Amino acid sequence: RKEVEQDPGPFNVPEGATVAFNCTYSNSASQSFFWYRQDCRKEPKLLMSVYSSGNEDGRFTAQLNRASQYISLLIRDSKLSDSATYLCVVVGYSGGGADGLTFGKGTHLIIQP
Amino acid sequence: DTAVSQTPKYLVTQMGNDKSIKCEQNLGHDTMYWYKQDSKKFLKIMFSYNNKELIINETVPNRFSPKSPDKAHLNLHINSLELGDSAVYFCASSRGGGYTFGSGTRLTVV
Repeated sequence: RKEVEQDPGPFNVPEGATVAFNCTYSNSASQSFFWYRQDCRKEPKLLMSVYSSGNEDGRFTAQLNRASQYISLLIRDSKLSDSATYLCVVVGYSGGGADGLTFGKGTHLIIQP
Repeated sequence: DTAVSQTPKYLVTQMGNDKSIKCEQNLGHDTMYWYKQDSKKFLKIMFSYNNKELIINETVPNRFSPKSPDKAHLNLHINSLELGDSAVYFCASSRGGGYTFGSGTRLTVV
């Protein structure tokens, strides 16, 4: 089983719609969770952290379900500029330090006018 | 001021050559990383350095060697380049969970 799994898409969504995608992770000892956004030929950039209590940032809502080991991202009122690849990222800790980021393969989102 | 800068942005070279990619961060972060993104867009960690100490070394070929002259720099040296090394290499740095990536070096081996 892969460490972090995401549906690669692409998700083709009309502008203004709500879209949601999930990610599952295999390491139950994982401590921190993030959603990153990567535009074509650009570096990944942090979109938001994911907390057990759920968190919202404008049109974006992230949720974590530790029992089922999945993370979700919801985008409301989608904009053309939301078109990108969304990377689910998990951080595990072992021994003396962080293991760095473990990335999913990303979900490709295309917002259509 | 660019927070994490890597050079060169593009690198085209022949098989068998040795090349280096440089990375510098001005954020005062404690840990720096190298990630590889292959043609399938999968990002995978290669190395990380924390205060000049290698703390992760994933199963990468020993042709790849990270070199950190100080806390602000982590360079990647690659010997005997192979076609399969073609990818985008991202440098990143972190402190306390916040990660910042460089803009990437697109390496093409011909």
